[in-house]
Amino acid sequence: GQQVMQIPQYQHVQEGEDFTTYCNSSTTLSNIQWYKQRPGGHPVFLIQLVKSGEVKKQKRLTFQFGEAKKNSSLHITATQTTDVGTYFCAGRDNYGQNFVFGPGTRLSVLP
Amino acid sequence: GAGVSQSPSNKVTEKGKDVELRCDPISGHTALYWYRQSLGQGLEFLIYFQGNSAPDKSGLPSDRFSAERTGGSVSTLTIQRTQQEDSAVYLCASSLSRVQAFFGQGTRLTVV
Repeated sequence: GQQVMQIPQYQHVQEGEDFTTYCNSSTTLSNIQWYKQRPGGHPVFLIQLVKSGEVKKQKRLTFQFGEAKKNSSLHITATQTTDVGTYFCAGRDNYGQNFVFGPGTRLSVLP
Repeated sequence: GAGVSQSPSNKVTEKGKDVELRCDPISGHTALYWYRQSLGQGLEFLIYFQGNSAPDKSGLPSDRFSAERTGGSVSTLTIQRTQQEDSAVYLCASSLSRVQAFFGQGTRLTVV
């Protein structure tokens, strides 16, 4: 079945440094979504990417969908302490209706 | 309601007892998902309902787990003969087809 992996599992950065998490799927995806979960909270939707090679930006966050639609990345520029949390990607393949979540990347930002 | 509502928010139960977890999705959302999240871990898919279609039960870890969705709205996840390894946060999410999922606050289940 479809598998979604993320690296790194953990990332510790100094406030102001950049951060990137990578998401890879074993199958071609019809779309990919990114979610953020703050400590003690529930996942909150950030963005959905649909097109091959698509790039979307939200302030300091840049999301990219690979040309082959099997990988994606989330890049945060100049991290802030408010960026702390776990970032999950979730992919849906062309056959399934369900989203498969990656294991997440936990980001810690040191002030 | 304004969001996905789950109840109870916390549940402590004795090993061997049955528990029922409830999810009220956002009105009009056709898709409903159940996930399980152990402490510090990712989201483990359990079951997915889409409209009147047969649910995708491929994530249920054992036959002690079952779920139903009545009238295309409220869903109940039932765990029979609970075990300590069932302790986790159970998250419910709903969505319109193929767009973002809205998560509830979760039910924290502790089996003692």
